[in-house]
Amino acid sequence: GENVEQHPSTLSVQEGDSAVIKCTYSDSASNYFPWYKQELGKGPQLIIDIRSNVGEKKDQRIAVTLNKTAKHFSLHITETQPEDSAVYFCAASISRNQFYFGTGTSLTVIP
Amino acid sequence: EAGVAQSPRYKIIEKRQSVAFWCNPISGHATLYWYQQILGQGPKLLIQFQNNGVVDDSQLPKDRFSAERLKGVDSTLKIQPAKLEDSAVYLCASSLIGRAPYFGAGTRLSVL
Repeated sequence: GENVEQHPSTLSVQEGDSAVIKCTYSDSASNYFPWYKQELGKGPQLIIDIRSNVGEKKDQRIAVTLNKTAKHFSLHITETQPEDSAVYFCAASISRNQFYFGTGTSLTVIP
Repeated sequence: EAGVAQSPRYKIIEKRQSVAFWCNPISGHATLYWYQQILGQGPKLLIQFQNNGVVDDSQLPKDRFSAERLKGVDSTLKIQPAKLEDSAVYLCASSLIGRAPYFGAGTRLSVL
């Protein structure tokens, strides 16, 4: 199956700064990359996704970029706020709706 | 739109006991997943259904875990007998074909 690596495992930023989380995948056939935010005691919540025919996608303060050649994709959060503090997971999908998850990044936004 | 419903939210059992979890997916979602999430790790797929059929159960420990999806809607995941290493959060998710899964709140299982 697909192998997804995620870095960093922990990230602390000052409120208002930007945060970047990076993921790499192993199978070049992967074509769909969702990102999730998981708050304590809750299930992962889908926040943004990107397909392999698109290089970048934005939704307000969140953006995702994809480099198919290098097989990596990144989540960018601008103007971070304390409520952005959570664990973020990337995922990659090859086919048949099968999703493989990264190991997670714990983001702390310091007020 | 109602989300994915799971019950119970918490369960504490002793090793070698059995336990069952229930999931009701989002209406109209053909694909249903069960994931295991151990503390500090990402979700690991246990089993994936599309309608009534199993798409992938390669990582399901079949000697102790079983799952079914009746009539292509609700699903149950059972563990019998439980081991200490089964302590985790069990997440149910559902999706439309070709779209990312939406997760329930999960069931936190503690095996003592």
